[in-house]
Parts: sequence; structure tokens; C-alpha cells
Amino acid sequence: EPEVTQTPSHQVTQMGQEVILRCVPISNHLYFYWYRQILGQKVEFLVSFYNNEISEKSEIFDDQFSVERPDGSNFTLKIRSTKLEDSAMYFCATGRDGNQPQHFGDGTRLSIL
Amino acid sequence: AQSVTQPDIHITVSEGASLELRCNYSYGATPYLFWYVQSPGQGLQLLLKYFSGDTLVQGIKGFEAEFKRSQSSFNLRKPSVHWSDAAEYFCAVGGGQTGANNLFFGTGTRLTVIP
Repeated sequence: EPEVTQTPSHQVTQMGQEVILRCVPISNHLYFYWYRQILGQKVEFLVSFYNNEISEKSEIFDDQFSVERPDGSNFTLKIRSTKLEDSAMYFCATGRDGNQPQHFGDGTRLSIL
Repeated sequence: AQSVTQPDIHITVSEGASLELRCNYSYGATPYLFWYVQSPGQGLQLLLKYFSGDTLVQGIKGFEAEFKRSQSSFNLRKPSVHWSDAAEYFCAVGGGQTGANNLFFGTGTRLTVIP
């Protein structure tokens, strides 16, 4: 079964540094999402992306965050200047269309020092 | 605003016993409802979904869930639990403003299975 692939599995970064998390969606999927899960808390929606633009974003997704599909295959989440509170598991999810279930990757654990 | 409540933080059941995990949601329209399972260090795997139609939905691994509009509930059930079912279970409601249905998750229920 096709999978959503996320890299790296674990990223350790100094506070204030930029970080880019990568996701390879399932090939025929058109809707892309990022979620995060702070340790011990629930999974929270960050942003949805369709047709090369953001469809919707949560209040968490402030100016420090950005998303793009730089080469038509990878879907990336960039955090411009990381803060300690950005430490979390970040999940990429993709869907064939907006009404179909989302398939999640295994996540990237981001640790900010 | 959309929200999901999973009132049980942690449930322990014996292997072979039946299981019911509770989920209540708040959503203004007909919701899209999901149950996902997360094993330690893993991503979220879809167990089942409800979009419309039959309110009793079957999923993978022998799980089922029943949508009850009058109670705003979507409880997950399994008649006989296996040790491999030990994991974190998340209920979610889909409800984006646009065609993309971003998910709102509950806080999860951690299931422990004892021999």
C-alpha cells in the first residue's frame, strides 16, 4: 500500500535556527496537510495545501511557518526561527481529495535545544 | 467551532474482553468522523471513517464504530481485544472551511491490554 514518507525521522536543532521538514505524498494525492503533536498532547492541525496554495491554516501557523512544494513532489514545512515550544512531532498527511481520509506519515520528531 | 472529546484518558482491558472507547464531537453540520490508532513512535493509521449512510461502520482489525447524531457520539468498539491492540486511539472530526477537510483530534485514549 502506498505510504506517506517523512524525512528526517528526528531533527535536533538549536533555538533560532531554521528547519525544513520534508514529506513525500502518495503519488495521486492532491491535498496536503501538516499537523503537530506536542509530547503528551493531542494532534493539532497546522495547515492544509491544495493547488499550490494554502487552503486553510490554524492560529498556530504564524509567520514563522511556511509550506511549499518546491519540485512538484516533496511537500515541505519550514520553520524560520525555531523556538523551544516548537519541539513536537510533526505529521504530514495527504488525501486524494478533500472528502477522502487522510493518510499520515510516521512523523518527524523535532527537538529544539 | 469543531471539537472532539475523548473522556477516557487511559483504559485497561484484559485480552479477549470487549472494548468501547468513547468519543463525543461538536460540529455545526453533518460531520466526517474518523478513528485513528497510533502505536508508540509511529504515525496515525486510519481504523475507520463515517461520512454518511449506515451509522454502523466497520473498520480494519475487527473494529467498528457507531455514529449517533442524537448523542453527538462516535464510539469505537471491538468485541474481543488482542494484545496487539495496545496503542493510543484518536477520534477526529473533519471540518475545514474549504474543500480540504482538516481534522480536529481528541486528546486520545491510551489502551493497555493485560494477559
